[in-house]
Amino acid sequence: QKEVEQNSGPLSVPEGAIASLNCTYSDRGSQSFFWYRQYSGKSPELIMFIYSNGDKEDGRFTAQLNKASQYVSLLIRDSQPSDSATYLCAVTLVTGGGNKLTFGTGTQLKVEL
Amino acid sequence: DGGITQSPKYLFRKEGQNVTLSCEQNLNHDAMYWYRQDPGQGLRLIYYSQIVNDFQKGDIAEGYSVSREKKESFPLTVTSAQKNPTAFYLCASSNIVLTGKGNTEAFFGQGTRLTVV
Repeated sequence: QKEVEQNSGPLSVPEGAIASLNCTYSDRGSQSFFWYRQYSGKSPELIMFIYSNGDKEDGRFTAQLNKASQYVSLLIRDSQPSDSATYLCAVTLVTGGGNKLTFGTGTQLKVEL
Repeated sequence: DGGITQSPKYLFRKEGQNVTLSCEQNLNHDAMYWYRQDPGQGLRLIYYSQIVNDFQKGDIAEGYSVSREKKESFPLTVTSAQKNPTAFYLCASSNIVLTGKGNTEAFFGQGTRLTVV
């Protein structure tokens, strides 16, 4: 079982719609949770982070965390063509040797005009 | 400017040759990470380090080595034992949240694209 799982997509949504991206993780000891956006050939850039159960909103983005279900999601409202990118979910697991930061394989989002 | 710097941006390696990728940060972050990304794939963890002179193997450490002699620096050596080294390599750093919440967000360098010729 992969530590962090995402659907690879592509997920296609029309401009102005809500895009919903999902991520599950395998280790209940996982702590901090992150969503990154990556454009082709570029480094990932942080979109949101969330530490506690519930929702966290920042502009058009909402991160949702459910530790009981081991599930974290990202909602993008009013999707724009510039949102077209790969979205990476990342999870920190505290281990004896340090904090291991593991990424999922990413979901490709396409926002269509 | 605070940030994380990787060099070189592009690197070409001959078969059987070791190469070292540089990663330097001036963010005063404790944790540093190396990832490999293949086309159309996510980031796979190679090595990570939380403190100076200590580091841990990630999920794909075979054929790679690292050192952490200074807090600011975490170089990655791709050895000849790595049979398929052509990939995009990303270095990241973050801080430790002492209240048990794991890490703060990780910041990435611009990456090194390694090609075997």
